[in-house]
Amino acid sequence: EAQVTQNPRYLITVTGKKLTVTCSQNMNHEYMSWYRQDPGLGLRQIYYSMNVEVTDKGDVPEGYKVSRKEKRNFPLILESPSPNQTSLYFCASSLRLDRVAKNIQYFGAGTRLSVL
Amino acid sequence: GQQVMQIPQYQHVQEGEDFTTYCNSSTTLSNIQWYKQRPGGHPVFLIQLVKSGEVKKQKRLTFQFGEAKKNSSLHITATQTTDVGTYFCAGGYNNNDMRFGAGTRLTVKP
Repeated sequence: EAQVTQNPRYLITVTGKKLTVTCSQNMNHEYMSWYRQDPGLGLRQIYYSMNVEVTDKGDVPEGYKVSRKEKRNFPLILESPSPNQTSLYFCASSLRLDRVAKNIQYFGAGTRLSVL
Repeated sequence: GQQVMQIPQYQHVQEGEDFTTYCNSSTTLSNIQWYKQRPGGHPVFLIQLVKSGEVKKQKRLTFQFGEAKKNSSLHITATQTTDVGTYFCAGGYNNNDMRFGAGTRLTVKP
């Protein structure tokens, strides 16, 4: 089954404790992206990757890191989480971003993160 | 910068009433996509519009792309409780940028 898998689904942590949220897709997609969703603010892009070893900042990259060493994986790293990073996080992928009809995004189930 | 404005933020309707959400961009879009997020779920792709003035229908849902390719709308006729959720538009630009609107959260009273 074609899917985007995020782990964990729920996470409660404390300020400053490094964490990683994993994202994996099995559709051979070139493009992957991370979003955070907060009430009233919609989906804000954190980082994206057009292909392996290519990553770029989105609109809200501060406090986050990513890597794209393999095509299927795009982990989100919070080196020193803070309470303002409490949010619902989504990973998404698409075949490509630069071709209409191939830029449809498939989302993971989401990771709800609470930083105390 | 490029951004997509979506209104309204919330809409509460009685079952059977119609619903419309609107998206607007200050610059021309190459395409626009619509997604639906059910409560507790993740966004799921509904449709993509590419051509100026394009209109597409999916059962009770009608999607329009403006003539100038700067705005779009999603209209639901005779809402049902299964329509509940948040509807997002996502505007694609020629520089390979894609921007999501803030979403419209629809609630339907039976």
